Amino acid sequence: AQSVSQHNHHVILSEAASLELGCNYSYGGTVNLFWYVQYPGQHLQLLLKYFSGDPLVKGIKGFEAEFIKSKFSFNLRKPSVQWSDTAEYFCAVNAGAAGNKLTFGGGTRVLVKP
Amino acid sequence: NAGVTQTPKFQVLKTGQSMTLQCAQDMNHEYMSWYRQDPGMGLRLIHYSVGAGITDQGEVPNGYNVSRSTTEDFPLRLLSAAPSQTSVYFCASSSSSYEQYFGPGTRLTVT
Repeated sequence: AQSVSQHNHHVILSEAASLELGCNYSYGGTVNLFWYVQYPGQHLQLLLKYFSGDPLVKGIKGFEAEFIKSKFSFNLRKPSVQWSDTAEYFCAVNAGAAGNKLTFGGGTRVLVKP
Repeated sequence: NAGVTQTPKFQVLKTGQSMTLQCAQDMNHEYMSWYRQDPGMGLRLIHYSVGAGITDQGEVPNGYNVSRSTTEDFPLRLLSAAPSQTSVYFCASSSSSYEQYFGPGTRLTVT
């Protein structure tokens, strides 16, 4: 069974700092990769996704992620965070053979201090 | 379009009670799923459906039943609630693009 791990459970940053959240998965075949964000009290929203092509994908709100196939990783980055980026971030993987099923990582809570 | 809607938003049950969490989508998506969200564990798949009349178990199906009589609706039933089912429940739907759209969630407490 596939699994997804997110290395940091909690991250605390100051505004304007750079953010990088790690995500690794354990499936050797074709995958579709996602980052979702959950702002306090809200439901999950898609930040960005990777299906194929350029391994550097850009999403909403200045976020980007890089797919490194050899490392089974899909790390999320933002060069300069804002207080409004305070949220929980989830990496998710869809294995090509699993239909539409998503496997989620445990999430990373990010707190941006003003 | 309303997207994915869930009712109720909050619910408190006593151990042994039963209830149904409602989920509906108006995007004509074939795929629908139920997840539970627990601290530090991300979202775990309970049950999913690839179309009306077709359902299957996910990672944590015990204690939950589902049915899919229409494309739009995908209710989740708790037959006999247990404190371990205290969680936030999210319904999601997707088309063939694999991108899932989530509902606002139901916060369930079982005492």
